[in-house]
Amino acid sequence: SSELTQDPAVSVALGQTVRITCQGDSLRNNYASWHQQKPGQAPVPVIHDKHNRPSGIPDRFSGSSSGDTASLTITGAQAEDEADYYCSSRDSSSNHLGWLFGGGTKLTVL
Amino acid sequence: QVQLVESGGGVLQPGRSLRLSCAASGFTFSYYGMHWVRQAPGKGPEWVASIFYDGNNKYYADSVKGRFTISRDNSKNTLYLQMSSLKVEDTAVYYCARDSYTRVLVTICFWGLGTPVTVSS
Repeated sequence: SSELTQDPAVSVALGQTVRITCQGDSLRNNYASWHQQKPGQAPVPVIHDKHNRPSGIPDRFSGSSSGDTASLTITGAQAEDEADYYCSSRDSSSNHLGWLFGGGTKLTVL
Repeated sequence: QVQLVESGGGVLQPGRSLRLSCAASGFTFSYYGMHWVRQAPGKGPEWVASIFYDGNNKYYADSVKGRFTISRDNSKNTLYLQMSSLKVEDTAVYYCARDSYTRVLVTICFWGLGTPVTVSS
């Protein structure tokens, strides 16, 4: 079955750049979106449809993709960026439409 | 701005039914596809169901197909999820979410605050 794979945990020094990746066959034909979730809160989109930033999201967040891998890059990570990050995409590979989520990456800002 | 407020969650026994609602505001509800997503305790999000802007096409995860029904009332700016034959494994926070594009289903984008559902004997 289709799935999206993420590294479980990533760390970054304050002010440095970090990239979080998401891999899956669905990404070859569908855009990735990225959702930030802090403890006890609902997810918030930080990037949708590969590289679009919703209003209010700092421009240090950016998205890209190549082949079956999508990436979320945080340039100059801040303490408030510490959170779980989930990628998602539409899955049109089987005979019916669905949506997938990655297992999440826990980002620690040191 | 986009506001989505879920309601209807609660604690109930296996086999029972429950209907969740999601009140939308801050955008033209009838233009957008909508989604339900759930998140079990300590787990990542799981897609549950999606519906086109006009309600004519609906899609379900295999885990809920035949038990859950997604619907919408564009005159009331409200999305629904009718859940029946509930199982312990349906325990989760249920979120409604708006798609990023009008008139198509592409991306789960803007989320509500969620409503918790606990199924326990």
